[in-house]
Amino acid sequence: KAGVTQTPRYLIKTRGQQVTLSCSPISGHRSVSWYQQTPGQGLQFLFEYFSETQRNKGNFPGRFSGRQFSNSRSEMNVSTLELGDSALYLCASSLGVGANNEQFFGPGTRLTVL
Amino acid sequence: AQKITQTQPGMFVQEKEAVTLDCTYDTSDQSYGLFWYKQPSSGEMIFLIYQGSYDEQNATEGRYSLNFQKARKSANLVISASQLGDSAMYFCAMREVGRDDKIIFGKGTRLHILP
Repeated sequence: KAGVTQTPRYLIKTRGQQVTLSCSPISGHRSVSWYQQTPGQGLQFLFEYFSETQRNKGNFPGRFSGRQFSNSRSEMNVSTLELGDSALYLCASSLGVGANNEQFFGPGTRLTVL
Repeated sequence: AQKITQTQPGMFVQEKEAVTLDCTYDTSDQSYGLFWYKQPSSGEMIFLIYQGSYDEQNATEGRYSLNFQKARKSANLVISASQLGDSAMYFCAMREVGRDDKIIFGKGTRLHILP
């Protein structure tokens, strides 16, 4: 069974631009979560989608948005990029939601904002 | 308030020794899940082990075991017979049950295995 895939793996953008990251979950997984990882802040939760609905959202500005499609694939979008958005963006999928659902992570997209 | 605390930013351990990575958590929920992940330098997060709050036995997965002490709100990861490939960042995480059930991660512990 294929793991979680994320595209692109690396991205360089300039301030003010927008970016869209894609995540394909493990087949059969219906929950997709997104995280931002930086050296200073560690792993921070962005949002979680289940059956095309956003279930949870972290403390990020509205410039960060996401969606999930009927095939469970998910995208996240960051508009008006800032230097501080440079980070590793990780996507994780799980079969369902709830405390006993372990998440399986993709390799991440490393975003650099110049 | 920080919900997951990993007090060891870095650790150095001799190969083949056992190592314990500390994790304490804070929750008022009775039902929750605890997870450990490994992140090698490549960046990918690898799921290691899960412990449910109602599980009476400590979870084990191969060389990994979770020392769960519910009253102390402690969920330490024990790696037996460490290997060079165990060098990585290790994250403890918790997921509560309920409306706000997002997974929260600790800051991590960087483990270095010495040959």
